[in-house]
Amino acid sequence: SQTIHQWPATLVQPVGSPLSLECTVEGTSNPNLYWYRQAAGRGLQLLFYSVGIGQISSEVPQNLSASRPQDRQFILSSKKLLLSDSGFYLCAWSVRPTEAFFGQGTRLTVV
Amino acid sequence: QKEVEQNSGPLSVPEGAIASLNCTYSDRGSQSFFWYRQYSGKSPELIMSIYSNGDKEDGRFTAQLNKASQYVSLLIRDSQPSDSATYLCAVNGRYGNNRLAFGKGNQVVVIP
Repeated sequence: SQTIHQWPATLVQPVGSPLSLECTVEGTSNPNLYWYRQAAGRGLQLLFYSVGIGQISSEVPQNLSASRPQDRQFILSSKKLLLSDSGFYLCAWSVRPTEAFFGQGTRLTVV
Repeated sequence: QKEVEQNSGPLSVPEGAIASLNCTYSDRGSQSFFWYRQYSGKSPELIMSIYSNGDKEDGRFTAQLNKASQYVSLLIRDSQPSDSATYLCAVNGRYGNNRLAFGKGNQVVVIP
């Protein structure tokens, strides 16, 4: 069966520090991968999605970036965090245009 | 117009009643539609998917899709306190489009 791992679960980082969140999927090949952010009391904002290794589509221009170095690995990064980057970050996978399944999420607080 | 809209505010329903949630979408070519449930502090979990016009039932949940009117709804029958959560509507775009966009969600509170 397919599983998705996302870590860390919680993170407190100072403003201006770098960020790296990692997500890996097991049990499937060539999945679509997604990064979403959910600010407090708000909906899910699609940040990036990827249909294959090295293929990244960006939804929102900001100080975040994403990479997909391996088929089942998706990384979200920032060189310098802003206070507004705080939120609940969710990685998800799907097999083409079907339902997506989420990891447990990372709650990021920028202080 | 937002890509996926869920406009209703928090919904309070008595235990055992029917909860009704609605969602509209802007892309007429959208092919796949989903409902997710999200408990506070947790990640969303898929509860229903629907791909063709009409109703789809799964236990106490019924999803309804009307592509001509571009809306999808979710009915929760015999609501239980455990159904108290935020329900998110998600829409996948035209065939071959891999984006999955979400509405902002509707909070449901089931009152015992």
